[in-house]
Amino acid sequence: GENVEQHPSTLSVQEGDSAVIKCTYSDSASNYFPWYKQELGKRPQLIIDIRSNVGEKKDQRIAVTLNKTAKHFSLHITETQPEDSAVYFCAALSGYALNFGKGTSLLVTP
Amino acid sequence: GAVVSQHPSWVICKSGTSVKIECRSLDFQATTMFWYRQFPKQSLMLMATSNEGSKATYEQGVEKDKFLINHASLTLSTLTVTSAHPEDSSFYICSAGTGLADTQYFGPGTRLTVL
Repeated sequence: GENVEQHPSTLSVQEGDSAVIKCTYSDSASNYFPWYKQELGKRPQLIIDIRSNVGEKKDQRIAVTLNKTAKHFSLHITETQPEDSAVYFCAALSGYALNFGKGTSLLVTP
Repeated sequence: GAVVSQHPSWVICKSGTSVKIECRSLDFQATTMFWYRQFPKQSLMLMATSNEGSKATYEQGVEKDKFLINHASLTLSTLTVTSAHPEDSSFYICSAGTGLADTQYFGPGTRLTVL
């Protein structure tokens, strides 16, 4: 089955700096890669996604890049703000199931 | 758009009892609903996939007789935890999509505590 690895598990940055979270996947047939933000005790919220026919996608301060050859994709958050602090999960769609990474706990300090 | 609700948001029950959790898509028809379990500080683990009008597909290691899933309509799926035990205590989250390869929208989750 699909195996999604996510790094780092924790990330601390100062407000205004950039944050990068990286994921790798094993199933070359995976074609959909969403990123979710989850605050404590709340539901995961989709923040950005990318499909396999695109190499990069940007939405304001958030961008995702995909390298299908290397089977890795990354989340980039620029000009981080304290409200960006949360746990971020990457996922890869394999068949019918979304397989999630273990999550990255991002802390943005003022 | 794409709002998914869950009920209840939290439940406390005694060991041995059964608990039913509802998942509803409020403004779209969900052909597929997914049930996840999330333990503290861990990732989401897919338990099962349900399609309207058919039997759910369970992931390896998930007991189908313990976690009963019913997807009676295009807007409602239920998960019943039968004979719950303390180790079943967890955060249960559903998600819904309009297709297997489409974006999934998550419900707010149900925190189950079994005493």
